[in-house]
Amino acid sequence: RKEVEQDPGPFNVPEGATVAFNCTYSNSASQSFFWYRQDCRKEPKLLMSVYSSGNEDGRFTAQLNRASQYISLLIRDSKLSDSATYLCVVNWGSAGNTPLVFGKGTRLSVIA
Amino acid sequence: DTGVSQDPRHKITKRGQNVTFRCDPISEHNRLYWYRQTLGQGPEFLTYFQNEAQLEKSRLLSDRFSAERPKGSFSTLEIQRTEQGDSAMYLCASSQSGRAWNEQFFGPGTRLTVL
Repeated sequence: RKEVEQDPGPFNVPEGATVAFNCTYSNSASQSFFWYRQDCRKEPKLLMSVYSSGNEDGRFTAQLNRASQYISLLIRDSKLSDSATYLCVVNWGSAGNTPLVFGKGTRLSVIA
Repeated sequence: DTGVSQDPRHKITKRGQNVTFRCDPISEHNRLYWYRQTLGQGPEFLTYFQNEAQLEKSRLLSDRFSAERPKGSFSTLEIQRTEQGDSAMYLCASSQSGRAWNEQFFGPGTRLTVL
């Protein structure tokens, strides 16, 4: 089983749509969870950290289910500028401050 | 610009040559990470430093790969006797230890092409 698995994608959605990305991770000791965004041929950029209680940042909502080892990202009212690859990321070890393990990413295309 | 910087941005080399990449982290960050990313994959962890100490290197891809951070500031990643399979984007990231959440910030990467 891969350490971090994501929906394979790609997701092609119209502007204004709501889209959800799912992710599972294998290391039950992981403590830190993130969603990164990566534009084509650019570096990954931190979109949001994922907290146990779930968190929201504008149109973006992240959820964590530790029991199921599952992370989600919801994007509401999609914009053309949301088109990118979304990477699910967890820390490697049991301590929060360790290297990160990335999923393969899910590509999103928002269409006018 | 106070973000993570990497140099060079692109490197084309012939098989068998040695290459060295440099990373300058965010100035107040004491942790520095190297990752490799190939097409269609997420970044893959290689090694990391806290200050000048290399804390993990077991995931370096082979003994042809080595990294240094002699003064705890910038770091270099060297690949000896490059192979075509080494062609990839090499990413550097930095963070500050002691924070509960290991939020890492990435540089623009060095894209290596081995001919």
